[in-house]
Amino acid sequence: DSGVTQTPKHLITATGQRVTLRCSPRSGDLSVYWYQQSLDQGLQFLIQYYNGEERAKGNILERFSAQQFPDLHSELNLSSLELGDSALYFCASSPRDLPGPGGYTFGSGTRLTVV
Amino acid sequence: SQQGEEDPQALSIQEGENATMNCSYKTSINNLQWYRQNSGRGLVHLILIRSNEREKHSGRLRVTLDTSKKSSSLLITASRAADTASYFCATDGSARQLTFGSGTQLTVLP
Repeated sequence: DSGVTQTPKHLITATGQRVTLRCSPRSGDLSVYWYQQSLDQGLQFLIQYYNGEERAKGNILERFSAQQFPDLHSELNLSSLELGDSALYFCASSPRDLPGPGGYTFGSGTRLTVV
Repeated sequence: SQQGEEDPQALSIQEGENATMNCSYKTSINNLQWYRQNSGRGLVHLILIRSNEREKHSGRLRVTLDTSKKSSSLLITASRAADTASYFCATDGSARQLTFGSGTQLTVLP
């Protein structure tokens, strides 16, 4: 157990639907990062939050949004889902705003299947 | 886009042999990290090497960094079946977050 909790582990939904992925960071970590992993695109950075504020944005589609709450857990919302959104979505956390010596601690991921 | 590219894409060796994976990146970095991912699981941080370091060891892992060539290598000595996984390099570069390479799939045969 890495200390980063992601729910649900698996999600199957239809095209056009909306889903919410949840992440609780490791205790004491203030930064949360969301990554998408697919076979053709590899690991793609989506977005980072630090202590409730958005800090960096990567290849995140406009249909996707995220937020970090006062208790530091984060949610990634995916809407108008398409078949191509099927992927593993990882949350990672770290103590600080920038990558530190301990790297990131990853959760076990949410496997999203859009049918 | 991916900053790092690992080479080879796949590597298959016998238990007890050494495994070497390479990573090339494009921009200047502050540090480079290596991660392991077991099939369908989350990534696990293995080791970090700073841009002013040339070599670093951790147990059976040895990492080298050549900033002039923008490349790094990860050596796993005396490999075990449990080392079977995908290995990724990650760099910080000019971005605030880590950018991961495409990964090397290592298979260690018993």
